[in-house]
Amino acid sequence: KAGVTQTPRYLIKTRGQQVTLSCSPISGHRSVSWYQQTPGQGLQFLFEYFSETQRNKGNFPGRFSGRQFSNSRSEMNVSTLELGDSALYLCATKPVANTGELFFGEGSRLTVL
Amino acid sequence: GIQVEQSPPDLILQEGANSTLRCNFSDSVNNLQWFHQNPWGQLINLFYIPSGTKQNGRLSATTVATERYSLLYISSSQTTDSGVYFCAVDGNTGNQFYFGTGTSLTVIP
Repeated sequence: KAGVTQTPRYLIKTRGQQVTLSCSPISGHRSVSWYQQTPGQGLQFLFEYFSETQRNKGNFPGRFSGRQFSNSRSEMNVSTLELGDSALYLCATKPVANTGELFFGEGSRLTVL
Repeated sequence: GIQVEQSPPDLILQEGANSTLRCNFSDSVNNLQWFHQNPWGQLINLFYIPSGTKQNGRLSATTVATERYSLLYISSSQTTDSGVYFCAVDGNTGNQFYFGTGTSLTVIP
């Protein structure tokens, strides 16, 4: 059974650009959430999607957005990149909405220059 | 949100030694998981343990939900155990996990 797949794994952008990250969940998993990891702030929740609906959003500016497709794949977008957006972005999935074990992908490491 | 505190923040062990990592949380939770972050950044599932005790080889974990803490035991540590260990909990909504700041473990030969 394939794990959580995130693409791209590494990317470099410059300030002001925008970026889109993709997450394909484990087959049968319908809940997808995103986390940002930085040395200073640790692991922080960005948002969670279930059945194409955003059910919860963390304390991030509106430049951070996401969506989920009917096949449960999810994308997150960051517009007008800032240096502080450099981070490891982790996608996590689980089968159902309100309970269950969370499984993480390998992450997308974003560097903003 | 739920506050999660992990201790100790750093731990250096000789290969073969045992260790206990602790996770305290500030509110009742539905779920609790322990992860090991590998050098490439991926979070590897160790235990899904909202309550009770589980064992997997040299690792075991215990969660006492009523007292709001969990313990991860590593016995006969190996160099491959090195890395950062995270505890994560979710609250009553079940759709947002809160992470501790991790315990960085270094096992030296």
